[in-house]
Amino acid sequence: NAGVMQNPRHLVRRRGQEARLRCSPMKGHSHVYWYRQLPEEGLKFMVYLQKENIIDESGMPKERFSAEFPKEGPSILRIQQVVRGDSAAYFCASSQSGSSYNEQFFGPGTRLTVL
Amino acid sequence: DQQVKQNSPSLSVQEGRISILNCDYTNSMFDYFLWYKKYPAEGPTFLISISSIKDKNEDGRFTVFLNKSAKHLSLHIVPSQPGDSAVYFCAAPHGSSNTGKLIFGQGTTLQVKP
Repeated sequence: NAGVMQNPRHLVRRRGQEARLRCSPMKGHSHVYWYRQLPEEGLKFMVYLQKENIIDESGMPKERFSAEFPKEGPSILRIQQVVRGDSAAYFCASSQSGSSYNEQFFGPGTRLTVL
Repeated sequence: DQQVKQNSPSLSVQEGRISILNCDYTNSMFDYFLWYKKYPAEGPTFLISISSIKDKNEDGRFTVFLNKSAKHLSLHIVPSQPGDSAVYFCAAPHGSSNTGKLIFGQGTTLQVKP
């Protein structure tokens, strides 16, 4: 049973470009979470999605960031017009249910560098 | 507003000794806590958890203690091994019980010296 997969592992973008980060949850998991880790900080929640639904996006910046989890295919975190402050590690996690007591399994992360 | 805090950025211990990692929280509504371990260039992996109805949970070399009145929890690793060297995060679910959104501390980097 493959774990959570994220690609690309490393992404370099110039200011103003778009970044697309992909996350394939573990088999059988329909709940996906995105977290961001800035240098020297802990992980910060961004968004929680189920298939075709955004459940909680309270951690998403109001502009330039969007996320989706379509019926088919991976979850996508999209950052438009990237700025240097977007440079961070972005982690995706998945779980079997949305319960707080259900373990979240994390992917290896995508390290975004904005030049 | 940092609701989960790990005030020690780093900790160094000798192999075979005890490692104690601390975590404080401010939200009295938190009722479940988790510890994650993270190696460089990898995602966090779940280590151990504790419910607020308990004050201790043990799993092999790892024990988590919870002091609700002090809003404090700690992770004990005995005996420490070089392979335990990693960043350790404590976390708590926030919001309703059906959101699963985790609030993480800043992390503590543990180095276990051979």
